[in-house]
Amino acid sequence: AQTVTQSQPEMSVQEAETVTLSCTYDTSESDYYLFWYKQPPSRQMILVIRQEAYKQQNATENRFSVNFQKAAKSFSLKISDSQLGDAAMYFCAYRPNSNSGYALNFGKGTSLLVTP
Amino acid sequence: DSGVTQTPKHLITATGQRVTLRCSPRSGDLSVYWYQQSLDQGLQFLIQYYNGEERAKGNILERFSAQQFPDLHSELNLSSLELGDSALYFCASSVLAHGDTQYFGPGTRLTVL
Repeated sequence: AQTVTQSQPEMSVQEAETVTLSCTYDTSESDYYLFWYKQPPSRQMILVIRQEAYKQQNATENRFSVNFQKAAKSFSLKISDSQLGDAAMYFCAYRPNSNSGYALNFGKGTSLLVTP
Repeated sequence: DSGVTQTPKHLITATGQRVTLRCSPRSGDLSVYWYQQSLDQGLQFLIQYYNGEERAKGNILERFSAQQFPDLHSELNLSSLELGDSALYFCASSVLAHGDTQYFGPGTRLTVL
């Protein structure tokens, strides 16, 4: 079974600063996808960024980027120039790319507080 | 707005009752997933349908069932409800059964009293 671990229940960052959220996962698969989802107080699950395991290049989406270390099974999210609207719960998710199923396995989440 | 719609937004019911949650996927998406988010269990996968057929099953209780209709909307039926079933239920959709991103609906908040 695959497990996803987010070791930081809460993080805090000042506006305009940079913060990194950690995620590790355990799998025996070689082909998979990794995601970061954001859940603001509205409870909507919003996709932040996605990484294919076969791609060595780290994914970036505007102020959001990842550090994907396949050998270490690590997938951290970096938020640059943090904004008040970035305050939310962030979930790391893993999904295998095999016929064993395509469900997302989520970590417990990291609550990000952004202070002015 | 992800394009995935869920109704109702909130549902309050009593133990022992049965409820139906509805999901309409994004236009063009064939696959629907149901997830449960609770304080103690976190986000858990329940079940996936692809083009009307059950594709994968997760931690779904026997009291729960789902189906996907020819117009691709999906319903999650929860019966003999218990207090512990109180949770946020998400539907997500994707184009195919594999290989792409799942987009989530706004969720249905179920409260069992």
